[in-house]
Amino acid sequence: GAVVSQHPSWVICKSGTSVKIECRSLDFQATTMFWYRQFPKQSLMLMATSNEGSKATYEQGVEKDKFLINHASLTLSTLTVTSAHPEDSSFYICSAEGPPNSPLHFGNGTRLTVT
Amino acid sequence: GQNIDQPTEMTATEGAIVQINCTYQTSGFNGLFWYQQHAGEAPTFLSYNVLDGLEEKGRFSSFLSRSKGYSYLLLKELQMKDSASYLCAVRSGSGNTGKLIFGQGTTLQVKP
Repeated sequence: GAVVSQHPSWVICKSGTSVKIECRSLDFQATTMFWYRQFPKQSLMLMATSNEGSKATYEQGVEKDKFLINHASLTLSTLTVTSAHPEDSSFYICSAEGPPNSPLHFGNGTRLTVT
Repeated sequence: GQNIDQPTEMTATEGAIVQINCTYQTSGFNGLFWYQQHAGEAPTFLSYNVLDGLEEKGRFSSFLSRSKGYSYLLLKELQMKDSASYLCAVRSGSGNTGKLIFGQGTTLQVKP
């Protein structure tokens, strides 16, 4: 149980375009989801906390107008990278909180390449 | 502030035992997690400690000392497939929720 599905698994886009990444909890409801970014050979950096029905909470240094987060239902959160640039190329991973006392469950990640 | 430290790289021999240490200083503590991550893949959960002591799970064990801000992950009977990055993460927040803050990860190389 506690499966998190992330889509797409990889995407290549041109500079200046926007990309939407979906994160779904398949067999549980997640009022809170988290979005992480990981650059090569680095650890996961928390970008924002996505709360169902309310505004996301962004970590310091993360531009909320560039990384739009929508958590419209208990099973879906989306991250939109707007006006993407090559420096936004990274591995984006979502995670969701499952039942009490359970670990954070991660999606399989989305590798974004901006050309 | 938040600070989680773990060694950058470690090397061990197949069949041996390796201990990966993690020290942390965080504002709020609600559990410490260990994840394994292979290159290009998402992290997979290994173990979780919220109280002091040792948690054993097959070949993997994790220890926590909250007073010392210290944890370790112990891997026994190392196999080649254990070559991966091991991430220590601390959860802050209340109850059973809260965001995970990750250390920089320890890349473990298992040699024959």
